[in-house]
Amino acid sequence: DAGVIQSPRHEVTEMGQEVTLRCKPISGHNSLFWYRQTMMRGLELLIYFNNNVPIDDSGMPEDRFSAKMPNASFSTLKIQPSEPRDSAVYFCASKYETGGSEQFFGPGTRLTVL
Amino acid sequence: ILNVEQSPQSLHVQEGDSTNFTCSFPSSNFYALHWYRWETAKSPEALFVMTLNGDEKKKGRISATLNTKEGYSYLYIKGSQPEDSATYLCAFSGSARQLTFGSGTQLTVLP
Repeated sequence: DAGVIQSPRHEVTEMGQEVTLRCKPISGHNSLFWYRQTMMRGLELLIYFNNNVPIDDSGMPEDRFSAKMPNASFSTLKIQPSEPRDSAVYFCASKYETGGSEQFFGPGTRLTVL
Repeated sequence: ILNVEQSPQSLHVQEGDSTNFTCSFPSSNFYALHWYRWETAKSPEALFVMTLNGDEKKKGRISATLNTKEGYSYLYIKGSQPEDSATYLCAFSGSARQLTFGSGTQLTVLP
């Protein structure tokens, strides 16, 4: 298995632009998580999906952030408009929902908003 | 807001030393405690998932213990090697899905 795939790996954009991050979970996994990693706050959960349905988006910072999971093999995290404070590494992780099971992380997308 | 704390924040040891660090978490509504190893410029990699009080897990030179009643877990590394240098994260799960991560212990093993 290729593991969790994220694209792009690096994104540099200007303030005000729309940014879309993509994630392909491991085949067969039915839970998907988006995390943001910053120096100040560490690894924070933004949103997670179970069977393609958003379960908890309380970690999403504000309305500029949105996430979708149109099918079991694809999810997007969109920031519109982007701001410099959104600069961070964004990780996607997936797991098979059997309780107690580990999450598998993707390589992350390093976002820089100028 | 769940409080998951790890100590120390960072640690330098000599190659061959054994070391340990701590994760403390809420003792109520416990479901699972995860340990992850996170190397620079890579993604977190799961080490252990522990669910039962008194659990002890081992993988090579790394082991972990769990006390859910008092809300702590220890991670031990025996005979540290430079390749063990990484940030070790613990994460608390109070449900089957969400993880709340600690801020990590950054371990540097000096040759």
